[in-house]
Amino acid sequence: GQQVMQIPQYQHVQEGEDFTTYCNSSTTLSNIQWYKQRPGGHPVFLIQLVKSGEVKKQKRLTFQFGEAKKNSSLHITATQTTDVGTYFCAHNTNAGKSTFGDGTTLTVKP
Amino acid sequence: DGGITQSPKYLFRKEGQNVTLSCEQNLNHDAMYWYRQDPGQGLRLIYYSQIVNDFQKGDIAEGYSVSREKKESFPLTVTSAQKNPTAFYLCASSPGQGLNEKLFFGSGTQLSVL
Repeated sequence: GQQVMQIPQYQHVQEGEDFTTYCNSSTTLSNIQWYKQRPGGHPVFLIQLVKSGEVKKQKRLTFQFGEAKKNSSLHITATQTTDVGTYFCAHNTNAGKSTFGDGTTLTVKP
Repeated sequence: DGGITQSPKYLFRKEGQNVTLSCEQNLNHDAMYWYRQDPGQGLRLIYYSQIVNDFQKGDIAEGYSVSREKKESFPLTVTSAQKNPTAFYLCASSPGQGLNEKLFFGSGTQLSVL
């Protein structure tokens, strides 16, 4: 099936610095979803992108879907300690299956 | 209070033992899923069900079994054939079975081998 690769695996930032995680596929994706998993918690849906070149914002979070629909990014401006966790991208197929990247774990130093 | 309930939160398995993880949802969702999460890794799909009395194997189904006798319930049995069962197991559901469905997750079960 279609795989999504995520980088970096870990990111350590100072509070107030920006953070970006990238999701890449070798094939065209019909959609990309982003989830956040807090330490000790479960993944929670953040957003879905379906259009080529789409950009969506949620407060300090900016999500982009590439023009070729093969990559996506999540950018957090001015990180806060509440942003810590693992961010996953996922692709949902028309068979109802979601394939997840390995995630980027963000730690924020106060 | 709507949601997905997984139990137990922690489970221990002895050698040669089958154990069953419970997953119940009251969201009236058609589709349900089981994922396995190992430390530092993403979620890997074990089994999924798009409708009652029907289910399909995911990417790592060997050593696991499921049933979907009721819309609300999708229990997962980890059999003795699963040689490396220690992991965090997540149940999820989605409203339908088509494209662009988002997943709602339970709080997970941590399974360990004694």
